[in-house]
Amino acid sequence: QVQLQESGPGLVKPSETLSLTCTVSGGSISSYYWNWIRQPPGKGLEWIGYIYYSGNTNYNPSLKSRVTISVDTSKNQFSLKLSSVTAADTAVYYCARMIAAAGTEYFDYWGQGTLVTVSS
Amino acid sequence: DIQMTQSPSSLSASVGDRVTVTCRASQSISSYLNWYQQKPGKAPKLLIYAASSLQSGVPSRFSGSGSGTDFTLTISSLQPEDFATYYCQQSYSNIRTFGGGTKVEIK
Repeated sequence: QVQLQESGPGLVKPSETLSLTCTVSGGSISSYYWNWIRQPPGKGLEWIGYIYYSGNTNYNPSLKSRVTISVDTSKNQFSLKLSSVTAADTAVYYCARMIAAAGTEYFDYWGQGTLVTVSS
Repeated sequence: DIQMTQSPSSLSASVGDRVTVTCRASQSISSYLNWYQQKPGKAPKLLIYAASSLQSGVPSRFSGSGSGTDFTLTISSLQPEDFATYYCQQSYSNIRTFGGGTKVEIK
């Protein structure tokens, strides 16, 4: 059974960089797309971006100038960096696996989520 | 970006009711539509992919239909564990987007 676990600081100061890591267990990081998705408190889901195991990335244009997603296949981990954060970046951040199958793509495994609060 | 609009934003229903949630895309997305269930404090869970394919392990009372711009999630007989928020998500565009969610509450 594939499991994903987010880790990183729960509190980040405004203008600083948010950094999170997702550790994948129970399966290989190879051959899938690895995503970050966030959810502000009481609101809906926003896709941030993904990285393919080979290193190719795709980001949401609304965040592209501030986002970097990287992968470390040797550790079965991928990471998110979001720079110049503001209070609007306060959210639960999820990592999720996206599978391409049956001619489509969908998020089949998710981490439990981690709340990141931006505050001084 | 492709906008996904869900209706209603919330609904009240009783155990045993048939419940329908609608999702509309701002442009045709063929059948590139997925449905997720989210309970409070938990991550979303995949229910339906490719508009009508049931994810392994998901009860058969859940079904999906539609193509193009209009899609439906149906729960044939609502169970106590189905009270949750449901989200649609399109995978047609490289920019993945979600609907705003439909909260299913107990009447």
